[in-house]
Amino acid sequence: SQQGEEDPQALSIQEGENATMNCSYKTSINNLQWYRQNSGRGLVHLILIRSNEREKHSGRLRVTLDTSKKSSSLLITASRAADTASYFCATEISGGSYIPTFGRGTSLIVHP
Amino acid sequence: DTGVSQDPRHKITKRGQNVTFRCDPISEHNRLYWYRQTLGQGPEFLTYFQNEAQLEKSRLLSDRFSAERPKGSFSTLEIQRTEQGDSAMYLCASSLIAGRGNEQFFGPGTRLTVL
Repeated sequence: SQQGEEDPQALSIQEGENATMNCSYKTSINNLQWYRQNSGRGLVHLILIRSNEREKHSGRLRVTLDTSKKSSSLLITASRAADTASYFCATEISGGSYIPTFGRGTSLIVHP
Repeated sequence: DTGVSQDPRHKITKRGQNVTFRCDPISEHNRLYWYRQTLGQGPEFLTYFQNEAQLEKSRLLSDRFSAERPKGSFSTLEIQRTEQGDSAMYLCASSLIAGRGNEQFFGPGTRLTVL
């Protein structure tokens, strides 16, 4: 099974609303990363949070990490139609060899 | 454009044929990864190189899959005797291991269709 699992699988909101998606994982990690993939385009790295960090911000993005619950959340504030994409979390396992394991992703649709 | 490039972008082949894909990473990056992605799934790790050394290849899907990075620059992924189940998007990514974590930069992918 996947190391990281995103929830929900699909999310549909109106422009201007906030979008929250979650990622749960099974084993201890060095870091967790979020990526975005637009339809027909490659993956773009959004943010990396290390296991000793609890929260990071980047523009309209806010990522939290709770290692005790083995979960992370990605919050997109004031969403725009251009945020429509699939969002994936990727985890690097502690003691591993820098191989990130991706989840199945959350498909976000932002209606104008 | 100094990003990761992949060639070709699309490949249609008949079952049983061999195919080879090329990936050119960001020039100063020392790590190069290959992934496969099917519809509705996240990228599935296949193999990776650090410079010219292939450090992990146990997750290549079968012995029909092989990858090379002969001079530590570009890489090729070859699939021999293709099967219809090989139809997928093949993604390449590169990164620089320099103490900042492993942010990967992805190429646009090669979409393979096996008829």
